[in-house]
Amino acid sequence: GNSVTQMEGPVTLSEEAFLTINCTYTATGYPSLFWYVQYPGEGLQLLLKATKADDKGSNKGFEATYRKETTSFHLEKGSVQVSDSAVYFCALSDLQGGSEKLVFGKGMKLTVNP
Amino acid sequence: GAGVSQSPSNKVTEKGKDVELRCDPISGHTALYWYRQSLGQGLEFLIYFQGNSAPDKSGLPSDRFSAERTGGSVSTLTIQRTQQEDSAVYLCASSYRQGNQPQHFGDGTRLSIL
Repeated sequence: GNSVTQMEGPVTLSEEAFLTINCTYTATGYPSLFWYVQYPGEGLQLLLKATKADDKGSNKGFEATYRKETTSFHLEKGSVQVSDSAVYFCALSDLQGGSEKLVFGKGMKLTVNP
Repeated sequence: GAGVSQSPSNKVTEKGKDVELRCDPISGHTALYWYRQSLGQGLEFLIYFQGNSAPDKSGLPSDRFSAERTGGSVSTLTIQRTQQEDSAVYLCASSYRQGNQPQHFGDGTRLSIL
């Protein structure tokens, strides 16, 4: 079946450091890919998405590019802030059965220190 | 506008009792999803509703779990004869009709089985 594998951490960075969170997927067909973020004490929020190969999603300084050849969707940010401390989930939309349910990676907890 | 609303936010109950969890999706969203977030299993899909179509129940872990959606809006997830392994955060999400529309999540119900 479809699956997502991502870095699990936890990871601690200093403010203004460069961030990369690796995400690779296995899927039949061409799913949409997502990054969701869960800030402390809050619900899951969509951070960015890409719906086809070579698309780049971006939001709040974060970027990820849909790479079909490497089945990857790595999340990057050039300079993290303390407010980026959260758990980050990579996900794909599973088109089997027609429900477009999300298949998530296990999540990675990021802590950014001042 | 109002987001996805879930109630209760926390539920503590004794093993063997039945529980009902409620989800109010965003107005106008025809697709509704239930997921479960637990330490051991991460985020797992449970069930999906779309309009008047038959639900996709492929993620329900046992026949103790059921869900319904009345009038195409509010949904209730019921767990009968709860077990300790049912302890988790139950998340509801909704989206516009299919077509790579992002899912919007509620804050979840934290269920603890004593």
